[in-house]
Amino acid sequence: QVQLQQWGAGLLKPSETLSLICAVYGGSFSDYYWSWIRQSPGKGLEWIGEINHRGGTNYNPSLKSRVTMSVDKSKSQLSLKLSSVTAADTAVYYCAREIIVARGAFDYWGQGTLVTVSS
Amino acid sequence: VMTQTPLSSPVTLGQPASISCRSSQSLVHSDGNTYLSWLQQRPGQPIRLLIYKISNRFSGVPDRFSGSGAGTDFTLKISRVEAEDVGIYYCVQATQFPRTFGQGTKVEIK
Repeated sequence: QVQLQQWGAGLLKPSETLSLICAVYGGSFSDYYWSWIRQSPGKGLEWIGEINHRGGTNYNPSLKSRVTMSVDKSKSQLSLKLSSVTAADTAVYYCAREIIVARGAFDYWGQGTLVTVSS
Repeated sequence: VMTQTPLSSPVTLGQPASISCRSSQSLVHSDGNTYLSWLQQRPGQPIRLLIYKISNRFSGVPDRFSGSGAGTDFTLKISRVEAEDVGIYYCVQATQFPRTFGQGTKVEIK
């Protein structure tokens, strides 16, 4: 049974750095891509970026200058950092597993972490 | 850009529902595959993968869900809507970076 469990600070002030962790339980860590996706209140889904088990990344150009993703294989954990946050970064953040041979097949999702940016 | 229509779909229980997803560019990858998936977001539930690569039903997904299309035009069909199908449905393309999602289509019971 695969589970993705997320945690991180839920309330930030403008200019601070968002930091989230996603722990993967069950399944192979190496056979997938791992994405971060966010959903602003009342809005749709936005892909932030992805990382593989070797640490190779692809980021959304709209966020690239502020995003850092990393992976800790020994712990089967992913991390997301988003610097210089503003109110526009308020959203529910999800980690998701993507099947390498079926790109776009996000088959398991974390429970989501609501991050609110407010002064 | 991924454009879904309709944005809202009131459906009678047991009746079919259809959601369209149109891409501004062809989603055929250089490897010959088309990486278009459909996701379901139900209230209080984790986001769920329904369909990948246009028409492949993911494990455990009821066969009343089907996907079709090619190139830039894709469709998700629910043959007979059940109460548990209420939620928001998203298409997502993974042929190009960045991955992009449709705006979502809300399926509700009339």
